[in-house]
Amino acid sequence: DADVTQTPRNRITKTGKRIMLECSQTKGHDRMYWYRQDPGLGLRLIYYSFDVKDINKGEISDGYSVSRQAQAKFSLSLESAIPNQTALYFCATSDPSDHNEQFFGPGTRLTVL
Amino acid sequence: GQNIDQPTEMTATEGAIVQINCTYQTSGFNGLFWYQQHAGEAPTFLSYNVLDGLEEKGRFSSFLSRSKGYSYLLLKELQMKDSASYLCAVLDSNYQLIWGAGTKLIIKP
Repeated sequence: DADVTQTPRNRITKTGKRIMLECSQTKGHDRMYWYRQDPGLGLRLIYYSFDVKDINKGEISDGYSVSRQAQAKFSLSLESAIPNQTALYFCATSDPSDHNEQFFGPGTRLTVL
Repeated sequence: GQNIDQPTEMTATEGAIVQINCTYQTSGFNGLFWYQQHAGEAPTFLSYNVLDGLEEKGRFSSFLSRSKGYSYLLLKELQMKDSASYLCAVLDSNYQLIWGAGTKLIIKP
């Protein structure tokens, strides 16, 4: 089984809808991240969490919110989706004792019409 | 601001050697990573450098010069499956990964 899983893998939705992307991990890592990837722009950090009680905004947090329900679960919400949030979304985890190498989930392809 | 530069695209021939360069300007430095990403898939870890010098791992090697803000990834004996994007990322003073936009490597027979 994969160490980092994301659901759904693909989602098409309409402008204005609320969307939740979920991430679960079995690696036992405290640190979790949400990124979006757009063609030619690389990975951009949306939010990150260093433990269950710690939530931090990343580079592009506007229009997004997160919830860290447990060490193993980190959810990303789009309160009111807009077309420029169409992207590939990745969840990742890391462990500072392992030089913070990040392990990625398979990604969620989100299309907002 | 923080910046990582790498070429957008490179082309190489199967069996040959290719070097992908990365230059960075970041707030602090706690290590540099190279990841491989096939189209539509998740990035996967290739290498980590925190000290100057060359790290070799099979067909792949990664070099770091902290004084020059420079790294390269060297791929030898190229195979068609090496066609992918290669992402350079630097761990800054806040232990956040700053990502380059990636280099798309095209391997031709």
